[in-house]
Amino acid sequence: EAQVTQNPRYLITVTGKKLTVTCSQNMNHEYMSWYRQDPGLGLRQIYYSMNVEVTDKGDVPEGYKVSRKEKRNFPLILESPSPNQTSLYFCASGGRATSQDNSPLHFGNGTRLTVT
Amino acid sequence: AQSVAQPEDQVNVAEGNPLTVKCTYSVSGNPYLFWYVQYPNRGLQFLLKYITGDNLVKGSYGFEAEFNKSQTSFHLKKPSALVSDSALYFCAVRDRDNYGQNFVFGPGTRLSVLP
Repeated sequence: EAQVTQNPRYLITVTGKKLTVTCSQNMNHEYMSWYRQDPGLGLRQIYYSMNVEVTDKGDVPEGYKVSRKEKRNFPLILESPSPNQTSLYFCASGGRATSQDNSPLHFGNGTRLTVT
Repeated sequence: AQSVAQPEDQVNVAEGNPLTVKCTYSVSGNPYLFWYVQYPNRGLQFLLKYITGDNLVKGSYGFEAEFNKSQTSFHLKKPSALVSDSALYFCAVRDRDNYGQNFVFGPGTRLSVLP
């Protein structure tokens, strides 16, 4: 089954304790992206990746890191989480990273992060 | 720069009535347009997309959307709403001339279908 898998689904942590949210896709997609969803603000892009070893900042990258060492995985790293990073996070993947590609994004089920 | 507006935070409709969820967009090039639906505790699910050609696009679960280039709109419609259609709906745009622009999502519209 084609899917994007995020783990964990729920995470409660304390300020400053490094954490990683994993994301894996089995569709051989070149493009992957991380979003955070906050009430009233919709989806905001954190980082995206056009292919292996190619990553770039989205709209709200501060406080986050990503890596893309292999095509299927795109982990989101919070080196020193703060309470303002409490949010619902989504990983997404989609097709080839070319302008002619009109593939929709496929989303994971989300990770609800609480930082106290 | 790209942007998407969904002018209504909330849409309420009675079961069996037609529904419309509005979306307008701004993109410098030519758009690919998408609608997604989000149910509680789930990720976004793709409903339909506009690429080119026919302005009326049909998608999953009986939904359709009408592309209007002059009004830069892409409204989501369904002839007869179901209670199970109650969810959060997102419109998204991508500039087909520049993949680096990525997808831009609207703020979402919460649809409530009342029995």
